[in-house]
Amino acid sequence: AQKITQTQPGMFVQEKEAVTLDCTYDTSDQSYGLFWYKQPSSGEMIFLIYQGSYDEQNATEGRYSLNFQKARKSANLVISASQLGDSAMYFCAMRFMDTGRRALTFGSGTRLQVQP
Amino acid sequence: EAGVTQFPSHSVIEKGQTVTLRCDPISGHDNLYWYRRVMGKEIKFLLHFVKESKQDESGMPNNRFLAERTGGTYSTLKVQPAELEDSGVYFCASSQVPKMNTEAFFGQGTRLTVV
Repeated sequence: AQKITQTQPGMFVQEKEAVTLDCTYDTSDQSYGLFWYKQPSSGEMIFLIYQGSYDEQNATEGRYSLNFQKARKSANLVISASQLGDSAMYFCAMRFMDTGRRALTFGSGTRLQVQP
Repeated sequence: EAGVTQFPSHSVIEKGQTVTLRCDPISGHDNLYWYRRVMGKEIKFLLHFVKESKQDESGMPNNRFLAERTGGTYSTLKVQPAELEDSGVYFCASSQVPKMNTEAFFGQGTRLTVV
């Protein structure tokens, strides 16, 4: 069965510091895509960053980077220089290409609070 | 360009009543998905439309849920009759052809409360 685990229900970080949000997954698929979404209190889901299972380099998008360790089946999100506006729920999601389902599978999310 | 639009944003109904949620995807996106998040748990897949056809409805919890996408444009999700456990946030997303790296665009969700 394919499962995504986010073990941190809540995290605190000081403004301007870096924070790592954990995401591990369980799958036998060889082809998959990893996504991180941010959900602020306003409710919309904002796409942050993507990593493909065959990508050799870790993805980066501005202050966001993905620490992808394929052998360990982990895809942790690193936010550098945290800002107050980073306070939100963060969801790790995957698209498993070998199974035929094209919808995303999500973890339970991590609530990040950035403190001044 | 307009994003994915959902309404209502909130709905409070009594157990046994009927509620219909609507989703307008991004224009040109043939793929439309419904998800649900029950409080504190993961976002769960409900079903996937390609145009007007149900590509995958394996996540629909039971036959009290009916999704339609007539004409391949907007979609509705009807819950009839609603039960307490149906409470949660219902998200709609749309995308172009879902390749491995295809981003799904989400609406703001409908918060459904069944009392």
